[in-house]
Amino acid sequence: GESVGLHLPTLSVQEGDNSIINCAYSNSASDYFIWYKQESGKGPQFIIDIRSNMDKRQGQRVTVLLNKTVKHLSLQIAATQPGDSAVYFCAGAESGAGSYQLTFGKGTKLSVIP
Amino acid sequence: NAGVMQNPRHLVRRRGQEARLRCSPMKGHSHVYWYRQLPEEGLKFMVYLQKENIIDESGMPKERFSAEFPKEGPSILRIQQVVRGDSAAYFCASSPIGLAGRGTQYFGPGTRLLVL
Repeated sequence: GESVGLHLPTLSVQEGDNSIINCAYSNSASDYFIWYKQESGKGPQFIIDIRSNMDKRQGQRVTVLLNKTVKHLSLQIAATQPGDSAVYFCAGAESGAGSYQLTFGKGTKLSVIP
Repeated sequence: NAGVMQNPRHLVRRRGQEARLRCSPMKGHSHVYWYRQLPEEGLKFMVYLQKENIIDESGMPKERFSAEFPKEGPSILRIQQVVRGDSAAYFCASSPIGLAGRGTQYFGPGTRLLVL
């Protein structure tokens, strides 16, 4: 089955620096990935997604990179701000398998130092 | 446009009681997903429903748990005879189309269930 995990449980960065959050997945059939941000006491908030036919996708201040060869994806946040402090989850899915469940990693807690 | 709504936000039950969690998807969304999150962990898929149909319940415990999404009204996740191990945050998500159609899941604020 799918297994998605993150390399580091916590990450502290200085305000204004760039943040990089990593995620590894085990199921080579996964073809759709999403990054979510979860603030304390709230539900996950969609940040950005990427399909397996792409290796990079950019949003506002965020970039997701996908390396299918090593089954790894990363979330880059430019000019990190205090409001970026949260737990970040990557989630993967096999969209063609008839099942639509997202498999989440445990999360990386990002702390921004003012 | 209101997002996914869940109620109650917090629910306290004693062992053996029933817990009923409600989820109203975003307007125009007909796909609902329920996830459970234990402290310090990621979300675990439980069930995926469309109106009046359970599509995938592979993540749902076989006993005491049930889910429905009626033609009218919210989706309901029902836990009978709750035990302490059921204490968790339960999140509902909705999407306009299934993942196969690249529909993104949008999450509600969750219901935090505490079983005493």
